[in-house]
Amino acid sequence: SQKIEQNSEALNIQEGKTATLTCNYTNYSPAYLQWYRQDPGRGPVFLLLIRENEKEKRKERLKVTFDTTLKQSLFHITASQPADSATYLCALNRDSNYQLIWGAGTKLIIKP
Amino acid sequence: NAGVTQTPKFQVLKTGQSMTLQCAQDMNHEYMSWYRQDPGMGLRLIHYSVGAGITDQGEVPNGYNVSRSTTEDFPLRLLSAAPSQTSVYFCASRGQADTGELFFGEGSRLTVL
Repeated sequence: SQKIEQNSEALNIQEGKTATLTCNYTNYSPAYLQWYRQDPGRGPVFLLLIRENEKEKRKERLKVTFDTTLKQSLFHITASQPADSATYLCALNRDSNYQLIWGAGTKLIIKP
Repeated sequence: NAGVTQTPKFQVLKTGQSMTLQCAQDMNHEYMSWYRQDPGMGLRLIHYSVGAGITDQGEVPNGYNVSRSTTEDFPLRLLSAAPSQTSVYFCASRGQADTGELFFGEGSRLTVL
């Protein structure tokens, strides 16, 4: 079956360090992958999209990589800040109708 | 600058009751969708619409109905609530047909007793 895995355990990072979150998938050949941020009691907010033919995408302190051979995306936040604390979701397009399938998310905690 | 607006934010129902979750967007997006979010699980698609008058089932449609009479509104109806429908529901819209980012509402937390 189609599956997306994100680390279910919270990730604790010291302020100023780089946080790296992982998204692994099986039985897919997605055309693109998206990352979202979700704060408690709020809806997800889009951060970045990376296509299958792109190795890396950057936006300010954020960097996403996409390895279609390993079936893995890595999401990096450099110079992390307590305000970066949130749950981060990855999503892949599931089919030609562009429906997304979602990981359960990883909770990131940045400690001062 | 409203984006996607969902109401109500919280709702408690008894088993067997019916209700409608409202969703409205002011971005003129053709695509709208409803998801449910449960602890430890990814967002799951309930129903979606690619334009007024067009709706389709997602991954978990049973027990839910939708309609799309206008571009702006996409209500989700629970016909006969069950405890298994206790969840947080999100409405989302998308401007581009493909690859476009989803814009989410703030969510509606539903508890069915």
